[in-house]
Amino acid sequence: NAGVTQTPKFQVLKTGQSMTLQCAQDMNHEYMSWYRQDPGMGLRLIHYSVGAGITDQGEVPNGYNVSRSTTEDFPLRLLSAAPSQTSVYFCASRPQVGGGSSPEAFFGQGTRLTVV
Amino acid sequence: DAKTTQPPSMDCAEGRAANLPCNHSTISGNEYVYWYRQIHSQGPQYIIHGLKNNETNEMASLIITEDRKSSTLILPHATLRDTAVYYCIVRVAYGSKLTFGKGITLSVRP
Repeated sequence: NAGVTQTPKFQVLKTGQSMTLQCAQDMNHEYMSWYRQDPGMGLRLIHYSVGAGITDQGEVPNGYNVSRSTTEDFPLRLLSAAPSQTSVYFCASRPQVGGGSSPEAFFGQGTRLTVV
Repeated sequence: DAKTTQPPSMDCAEGRAANLPCNHSTISGNEYVYWYRQIHSQGPQYIIHGLKNNETNEMASLIITEDRKSSTLILPHATLRDTAVYYCIVRVAYGSKLTFGKGITLSVRP
C-alpha cells in the first residue's frame, strides 16, 4: 500500500495564480483532511471530508476550496494564490468508525508551497 | 475537544528513557489521549493512544493518571532518530478533527 500520497512535493507560484494540490489514499478511508503548517507552529486544519460528496471547513478555510468526488481523492484548490499561503500542506486520512474505536490518522509527506 | 499543555522542549541522552509530559485537565470522559510525532518537517506519525488504561506498543508507552488530567509518553530507549516534535492531542473517538498545538521538541543527544 502506498498510504497517503501528495503531489507535488514542491511548488512555487506567483501571486494570483491558481493550482491544485493532490492527495490520494489507497486505504479506503472515509475521513480525509488538509492541514497547513507554518514555521514554528503546529498544524492547522483547512478543510475536511467525512466521505465522498461531503466536505466541511476547518480552522483556516479562507482562500481554499475542496471537493470529494471519490473515496480515494481529496484535492485542495488555491483559486488565487497569495504570499500568506506560503506554507507546508499535509493531507491526512483515517477510517471513520464509531462504537468507541479510535483509529489513528495517516499523513502524507507534505507539499511545500511558496507564493512569490 | 479538550486542550493540552506541553512544555516547549526537553532533551535526553541516547539510550535513556524519554518521559514527555502532557496536561489535559479539562478532558472529558469520552476523550482519548493521542500522541503523534513529526520528524524534521515530515508528515506527522501516529505513536500511541489511550482512554484511561496505560498502553504500550512497539514504539512507546503511555501512562495516564487515574484522574486522566495528565499523561506521560515514554520512549524507553531513546535514539537520535527520536529527535522530533511530539504532539499530545485529546479528542473523542470518532467524527472529530485532530487539533495540533505546538508540541514538545525532544532533542536526543549522543
